[in-house]
Amino acid sequence: AQSVTQPDIHITVSEGASLELRCNYSYGATPYLFWYVQSPGQGLQLLLKYFSGDTLVQGIKGFEAEFKRSQSSFNLRKPSVHWSDAAEYFCAVENDYKLSFGAGTTVTVRA
Amino acid sequence: DVKVTQSSRYLVKRTGEKVFLECVQDMDHENMFWYRQDPGLGLRLIYFSYDVKMKEKGDIPEGYSVSREKKERFSLILESASTNQTSMYLCASGKRGENTGELFFGEGSRLTVL
Repeated sequence: AQSVTQPDIHITVSEGASLELRCNYSYGATPYLFWYVQSPGQGLQLLLKYFSGDTLVQGIKGFEAEFKRSQSSFNLRKPSVHWSDAAEYFCAVENDYKLSFGAGTTVTVRA
Repeated sequence: DVKVTQSSRYLVKRTGEKVFLECVQDMDHENMFWYRQDPGLGLRLIYFSYDVKMKEKGDIPEGYSVSREKKERFSLILESASTNQTSMYLCASGKRGENTGELFFGEGSRLTVL
């Protein structure tokens, strides 16, 4: 089964600065990849997804992600972070109609 | 607004007690899932269901069972709770078909077993 790895456990970024969260997936056919966000005390919300086609996908809240097959990566980016972006972010891959999640990256935003 | 509702946000139980976690969705979704969330481990799939009265084991089913008697309701059961089942439990639902990765999550049930 395919899996994802998020190398960064915790990232701190200043408000207004850019943000990039890393996600690497294991080898396999073209994966279906997702990024979810979990704000404090909330369930997870889908930010964006990649199935096929254009390798740069746009999501909600100003996020985007780029699928790079050569690097087995699906990194999440945001050009300018807002304090409300402080949350935990999960990368996920679909396996037989189920999602397998990475360990998550916690983002702290400092003023 | 679409909604997945988990009946209890916080529970405290004693070792050996039977625990029921209830989840209801109002989106007429075929697929429902129970995940467990632990720090540093992300979300791990316990059980899932593709239809009423159907269930499939996920990655960590030991110590758990599930029930899906109605399409909108998916219950997680801990027959005899143990301290290592202290965790956050997340229920999710999704449509069957091409968007099976788009899941809608409840706010979670934090269980403490003493």
